[in-house]
Amino acid sequence: AQSVTQLDSQVPVFEEAPVELRCNYSSSVSVYLFWYVQYPNQGLQLLLKYLSGSTLVKGINGFEAEFNKSQTSFHLRKPSVHISDTAEYFCAVSDAGGTSYGKLTFGQGTILTVHP
Amino acid sequence: KAGVTQTPRYLIKTRGQQVTLSCSPISGHRSVSWYQQTPGQGLQFLFEYFSETQRNKGNFPGRFSGRQFSNSRSEMNVSTLELGDSALYLCASNDRGSSTDTQYFGPGTRLTVL
Repeated sequence: AQSVTQLDSQVPVFEEAPVELRCNYSSSVSVYLFWYVQYPNQGLQLLLKYLSGSTLVKGINGFEAEFNKSQTSFHLRKPSVHISDTAEYFCAVSDAGGTSYGKLTFGQGTILTVHP
Repeated sequence: KAGVTQTPRYLIKTRGQQVTLSCSPISGHRSVSWYQQTPGQGLQFLFEYFSETQRNKGNFPGRFSGRQFSNSRSEMNVSTLELGDSALYLCASNDRGSSTDTQYFGPGTRLTVL
């Protein structure tokens, strides 16, 4: 079984400040890792994904994340946030071996609030 | 390419009724996954369909069912609605076979059970 823990339920930050949203996972098999963003009354938008290769992945809107296998973490970072980044962010994992294809396991979400 | 479409966007039903939600995946994608999102339980996997067959299922009661058509469109059905079924139901389109297992989500259907 897989599980995902997002260590902060809410993260307040001022505009133009850096931010890090933390994600740890547990899995007995190799995983793919994803970050999604959800704006109010909308679906999930893919920010970035780690499948293999370089452990530092870059996504849309200036976000990046680093896969750390030894610490089973996949933290999301942005060097300078904007008001428009205010949203809920979800970390998710899937089974890279394909035995549970089509199933994402999500964390509980982190609400990022950017203040002017 | 057009994105994932879900209809209807909003639904209000009463306890005991049944409901059918529809999802059209991205053109060329043959796999569709469904999720339930609630404030208390978060995002939970319901099931996945590929080539008209259910390939994977989450831990939901039998009242939750689905199907997929030959054009890859999918429907999910909830029978005998309960108050706790009030949720945002999200459909995701998967490019199975690309080895990336990346899911692209629709805007969701907001179901309210009174």
